[in-house]
Amino acid sequence: DGGITQSPKYLFRKEGQNVTLSCEQNLNHDAMYWYRQDPGQGLRLIYYSQIVNDFQKGDIAEGYSVSREKKESFPLTVTSAQKNPTAFYLCASSTSDRRRGFSSTDTQYFGPGTRLTVL
Amino acid sequence: SQELEQSPQSLIVQEGKNLTINCTSSKTLYGLYWYKQKYGEGLIFLMMLQKGGEEKSHEKITAKLDEKKQQSSLHITASQPSHAGIYLCGADSNTGNQFYFGTGTSLTVIP
Repeated sequence: DGGITQSPKYLFRKEGQNVTLSCEQNLNHDAMYWYRQDPGQGLRLIYYSQIVNDFQKGDIAEGYSVSREKKESFPLTVTSAQKNPTAFYLCASSTSDRRRGFSSTDTQYFGPGTRLTVL
Repeated sequence: SQELEQSPQSLIVQEGKNLTINCTSSKTLYGLYWYKQKYGEGLIFLMMLQKGGEEKSHEKITAKLDEKKQQSSLHITASQPSHAGIYLCGADSNTGNQFYFGTGTSLTVIP
């Protein structure tokens, strides 16, 4: 079955360490996204990528880095520069039909999420 | 960037009561999505609205998009504890290059 996987489900990190969250999709989607969620709040966009080898900063990119070397994979690294990294991280993907100009009929598919806790 | 404001921010209702959550956009909506999330879990897609005046229902949840396509409401009839969670509206940008989420509404249903 097609879908998005994120691993691990729970992750613990010591302060000052970098950590990488995995996101893989086999939906053949061009676009992939990383969001962060804090308790009781809406999602905030960290980074997004519309195509392989290209990615853009979202609203809260500071302290994070990404790569998009393959269409199926969009790993997120939480660096030691991120001041408050404890949160729930969601990865998403969607089709991106540039010919239409917008993807109003497409929806984003989300992974199960990774809960990161900094000790 | 597009801003999606949700109201109320949080809601506590008694089981069996009806409730409404609103999502207001600063710009015209080209695709409006409603999601539900329980904290620590992935989002559950509820429904999507595109046309002005459109209304969709799924079980006891109804969503509407106003004629001007700048506001959507989500209405739950006879709420149940299973409806509890965070409700998020989301929208495509007019260029399709980004997707925006609302500020979220936290719903608690008291048995």
